[in-house]
Amino acid sequence: EPEVTQTPSHQVTQMGQEVILRCVPISNHLYFYWYRQILGQKVEFLVSFYNNEISEKSEIFDDQFSVERPDGSNFTLKIRSTKLEDSAMYFCASSEQGQSYGYTFGSGTRLTVV
Amino acid sequence: AQTVTQSQPEMSVQEAETVTLSCTYDTSESNYYLFWYKQPPSRQMILVIRQEAYKQQNATENRFSVNFQKAAKSFSLKISDSQLGDTAMYFCASGLYNTDKLIFGTGTRLQVFP
Repeated sequence: EPEVTQTPSHQVTQMGQEVILRCVPISNHLYFYWYRQILGQKVEFLVSFYNNEISEKSEIFDDQFSVERPDGSNFTLKIRSTKLEDSAMYFCASSEQGQSYGYTFGSGTRLTVV
Repeated sequence: AQTVTQSQPEMSVQEAETVTLSCTYDTSESNYYLFWYKQPPSRQMILVIRQEAYKQQNATENRFSVNFQKAAKSFSLKISDSQLGDTAMYFCASGLYNTDKLIFGTGTRLQVFP
Protein backbone atom coordinates (compact mmCIF):
# COMPACT_ATOMS: atom_id res chain seq x y z
CA GLU A 1 0.00 0.00 0.00
CA PRO A 2 1.37 3.47 -0.88
CA GLU A 3 2.86 5.40 2.03
CA VAL A 4 3.81 8.93 2.90
CA THR A 5 7.46 8.87 3.89
CA GLN A 6 9.01 11.35 6.31
CA THR A 7 12.67 11.88 7.08
CA PRO A 8 14.34 12.08 9.47
CA SER A 9 12.32 10.25 12.09
CA HIS A 10 14.01 12.24 14.84
CA GLN A 11 16.00 15.47 14.63
CA VAL A 12 17.71 17.34 17.41
CA THR A 13 18.72 20.92 16.73
CA GLN A 14 20.02 23.88 18.65
CA MET A 15 17.80 26.87 19.24
CA GLY A 16 18.19 29.39 16.45
CA GLN A 17 19.23 26.83 13.84
CA GLU A 18 17.34 26.17 10.65
CA VAL A 19 15.77 22.77 10.09
CA ILE A 20 14.20 21.19 7.05
CA LEU A 21 11.75 18.36 7.49
CA ARG A 22 11.23 16.22 4.44
CA CYS A 23 8.24 14.35 3.16
CA VAL A 24 7.56 12.25 0.09
CA PRO A 25 3.80 12.21 -0.48
CA ILE A 26 1.99 9.49 -2.40
CA SER A 27 2.79 10.00 -6.05
CA ASN A 28 -0.71 10.65 -7.45
CA HIS A 29 -1.81 12.87 -4.57
CA LEU A 30 -2.31 16.55 -5.27
CA TYR A 31 -2.97 18.01 -1.82
CA PHE A 32 -0.31 18.24 0.85
CA TYR A 33 -0.40 19.18 4.50
CA TRP A 34 1.74 19.69 7.57
CA TYR A 35 0.43 19.16 11.09
CA ARG A 36 2.24 19.17 14.39
CA GLN A 37 1.63 17.69 17.80
CA ILE A 38 3.32 19.11 20.84
CA LEU A 39 3.78 16.40 23.46
CA GLY A 40 0.53 15.78 25.30
CA GLN A 41 -1.43 18.27 23.19
CA LYS A 42 -3.71 18.12 20.20
CA VAL A 43 -2.67 17.57 16.63
CA GLU A 44 -2.69 21.05 15.05
CA PHE A 45 -2.95 22.14 11.44
CA LEU A 46 -0.03 24.17 10.10
CA VAL A 47 -0.44 24.53 6.36
CA SER A 48 -1.98 23.10 3.22
CA PHE A 49 -0.45 23.17 -0.23
CA TYR A 50 -2.03 22.63 -3.62
CA ASN A 51 -1.01 23.45 -7.17
CA ASN A 52 2.41 24.62 -6.03
CA GLU A 53 1.18 27.19 -3.60
CA ILE A 54 -0.05 27.51 -0.06
CA SER A 55 -3.82 27.23 0.01
CA GLU A 56 -4.32 27.77 3.73
CA LYS A 57 -2.18 28.34 6.81
CA SER A 58 -2.83 28.60 10.51
CA GLU A 59 -1.79 31.32 12.96
CA ILE A 60 1.07 29.04 14.00
CA PHE A 61 2.54 29.16 10.51
CA ASP A 62 4.30 32.50 10.82
CA ASP A 63 7.25 33.92 8.88
CA GLN A 64 9.58 31.42 10.50
CA PHE A 65 7.93 28.61 8.56
CA SER A 66 7.95 27.90 4.86
CA VAL A 67 7.00 25.00 2.63
CA GLU A 68 8.26 23.95 -0.73
CA ARG A 69 7.81 21.25 -3.32
CA PRO A 70 11.24 21.56 -4.89
CA ASP A 71 11.27 18.68 -7.35
CA GLY A 72 7.75 17.35 -7.87
CA SER A 73 8.16 14.53 -5.37
CA ASN A 74 9.43 15.99 -2.09
CA PHE A 75 7.43 18.31 0.12
CA THR A 76 9.47 20.14 2.73
CA LEU A 77 8.80 22.20 5.82
CA LYS A 78 11.50 24.66 6.80
CA ILE A 79 11.76 26.36 10.16
CA ARG A 80 14.23 29.23 9.81
CA SER A 81 15.24 29.91 13.38
CA THR A 82 14.00 27.24 15.73
CA LYS A 83 12.68 28.01 19.19
CA LEU A 84 12.28 25.70 22.14
CA GLU A 85 8.52 25.75 21.64
CA ASP A 86 8.92 24.31 18.14
CA SER A 87 9.74 20.97 19.74
CA ALA A 88 6.97 18.67 18.55
CA MET A 89 6.09 15.78 16.32
CA TYR A 90 5.57 17.05 12.77
CA PHE A 91 3.29 15.07 10.50
CA CYS A 92 3.11 15.35 6.76
CA ALA A 93 -0.05 14.20 4.99
CA SER A 94 -1.29 13.97 1.45
CA SER A 95 -4.63 13.47 -0.20
CA GLU A 96 -5.76 12.65 -3.71
CA GLN A 97 -9.04 14.54 -3.60
CA GLY A 98 -8.77 16.99 -0.74
CA GLN A 99 -9.19 16.92 2.99
CA SER A 100 -12.84 15.94 3.03
CA TYR A 101 -11.93 12.47 1.76
CA GLY A 102 -9.28 11.90 4.39
CA TYR A 103 -5.53 12.06 4.43
CA THR A 104 -2.72 9.60 4.36
CA PHE A 105 -0.29 10.60 7.09
CA GLY A 106 3.40 9.94 7.37
CA SER A 107 4.97 8.49 10.51
CA GLY A 108 6.17 11.89 11.65
CA THR A 109 9.42 13.62 12.49
CA ARG A 110 10.11 14.26 16.14
CA LEU A 111 11.86 17.61 16.36
CA THR A 112 13.69 18.41 19.57
CA VAL A 113 15.04 21.92 19.98
CA VAL A 114 17.67 22.27 22.71
CA ALA B 1 -15.16 27.95 16.34
CA GLN B 2 -14.90 24.26 15.76
CA THR B 3 -13.97 22.05 18.68
CA VAL B 4 -13.59 18.31 19.13
CA THR B 5 -13.63 16.68 22.54
CA GLN B 6 -12.60 13.19 23.49
CA SER B 7 -13.37 12.71 27.15
CA GLN B 8 -11.75 9.30 27.59
CA PRO B 9 -7.95 9.60 27.71
CA GLU B 10 -7.51 5.84 28.09
CA MET B 11 -9.61 2.75 27.64
CA SER B 12 -9.00 -0.94 27.71
CA VAL B 13 -10.88 -3.92 26.36
CA GLN B 14 -10.40 -7.64 26.24
CA GLU B 15 -9.76 -9.32 22.94
CA ALA B 16 -12.98 -10.25 21.07
CA GLU B 17 -15.04 -7.80 23.12
CA THR B 18 -16.69 -4.61 21.89
CA VAL B 19 -15.58 -1.13 22.90
CA THR B 20 -17.00 2.31 22.19
CA LEU B 21 -14.89 5.46 22.06
CA SER B 22 -16.66 8.77 22.58
CA CYS B 23 -16.30 11.99 20.67
CA THR B 24 -18.30 15.17 20.79
CA TYR B 25 -17.83 18.18 18.59
CA ASP B 26 -19.12 21.67 18.19
CA THR B 27 -19.63 23.63 15.02
CA SER B 28 -22.02 26.27 13.79
CA GLU B 29 -21.84 24.91 10.25
CA SER B 30 -24.45 22.57 8.82
CA ASN B 31 -22.12 20.86 6.33
CA TYR B 32 -19.08 19.16 7.71
CA TYR B 33 -17.43 15.79 7.91
CA LEU B 34 -16.00 13.68 10.67
CA PHE B 35 -13.21 11.13 10.90
CA TRP B 36 -11.70 8.60 13.20
CA TYR B 37 -7.98 8.06 12.83
CA LYS B 38 -5.94 5.32 14.44
CA GLN B 39 -2.28 5.75 15.42
CA PRO B 40 -0.57 2.51 16.46
CA PRO B 41 2.53 2.87 18.66
CA SER B 42 5.37 4.47 16.68
CA ARG B 43 3.36 4.29 13.49
CA GLN B 44 1.56 6.67 11.22
CA MET B 45 -2.04 7.78 11.61
CA ILE B 46 -4.42 5.69 9.56
CA LEU B 47 -7.90 6.70 8.50
CA VAL B 48 -10.39 4.32 10.10
CA ILE B 49 -13.73 5.72 9.09
CA ARG B 50 -15.34 8.81 7.60
CA GLN B 51 -18.80 10.31 7.96
CA GLU B 52 -20.40 13.19 6.12
CA ALA B 53 -22.83 15.18 8.23
CA TYR B 54 -25.55 15.28 5.60
CA LYS B 55 -25.75 11.48 5.58
CA GLN B 56 -28.03 10.03 8.21
CA GLN B 57 -26.75 6.51 7.79
CA ASN B 58 -23.93 5.59 10.13
CA ALA B 59 -20.68 4.70 8.39
CA THR B 60 -19.31 1.19 8.77
CA GLU B 61 -15.95 -0.31 7.83
CA ASN B 62 -15.73 -3.99 8.72
CA ARG B 63 -15.44 -4.19 12.53
CA PHE B 64 -15.55 -0.41 12.91
CA SER B 65 -18.79 1.53 12.98
CA VAL B 66 -19.90 4.92 14.17
CA ASN B 67 -22.91 6.20 16.02
CA PHE B 68 -23.46 9.65 14.55
CA GLN B 69 -25.96 11.72 16.49
CA LYS B 70 -26.09 15.04 14.66
CA ALA B 71 -28.45 16.81 17.04
CA ALA B 72 -26.31 15.84 20.01
CA LYS B 73 -23.09 16.52 18.07
CA SER B 74 -21.80 13.14 19.02
CA PHE B 75 -19.67 10.81 16.90
CA SER B 76 -18.67 7.65 18.76
CA LEU B 77 -16.62 4.79 17.35
CA LYS B 78 -17.55 1.20 18.05
CA ILE B 79 -14.97 -1.52 17.58
CA SER B 80 -16.45 -4.99 17.50
CA ASP B 81 -14.50 -8.20 18.06
CA SER B 82 -11.47 -6.25 19.30
CA GLN B 83 -8.10 -7.53 18.20
CA LEU B 84 -4.64 -7.01 19.66
CA GLY B 85 -3.76 -4.99 16.58
CA ASP B 86 -6.42 -2.47 17.51
CA THR B 87 -4.18 -1.24 20.32
CA ALA B 88 -3.51 2.36 19.36
CA MET B 89 -4.29 5.99 19.98
CA TYR B 90 -7.59 6.94 18.36
CA PHE B 91 -8.25 10.49 17.23
CA CYS B 92 -11.58 11.99 16.34
CA ALA B 93 -11.43 14.89 13.86
CA SER B 94 -13.80 17.23 12.10
CA GLY B 95 -13.52 19.37 9.01
CA LEU B 96 -15.48 21.87 6.99
CA TYR B 97 -15.85 22.02 3.24
CA ASN B 98 -14.68 25.63 3.04
CA THR B 99 -11.39 25.13 4.85
CA ASP B 100 -8.44 22.78 4.48
CA LYS B 101 -7.76 22.04 8.11
CA LEU B 102 -8.99 19.27 10.33
CA ILE B 103 -9.63 19.87 14.01
CA PHE B 104 -8.49 16.97 16.14
CA GLY B 105 -9.47 15.79 19.58
CA THR B 106 -6.85 14.95 22.19
CA GLY B 107 -7.12 11.23 21.50
CA THR B 108 -8.09 8.09 23.37
CA ARG B 109 -5.44 5.49 24.05
CA LEU B 110 -6.98 2.04 23.60
CA GLN B 111 -5.30 -1.05 24.97
CA VAL B 112 -6.58 -4.44 23.89
CA PHE B 113 -5.70 -7.24 26.31
CA PRO B 114 -5.47 -10.93 25.44
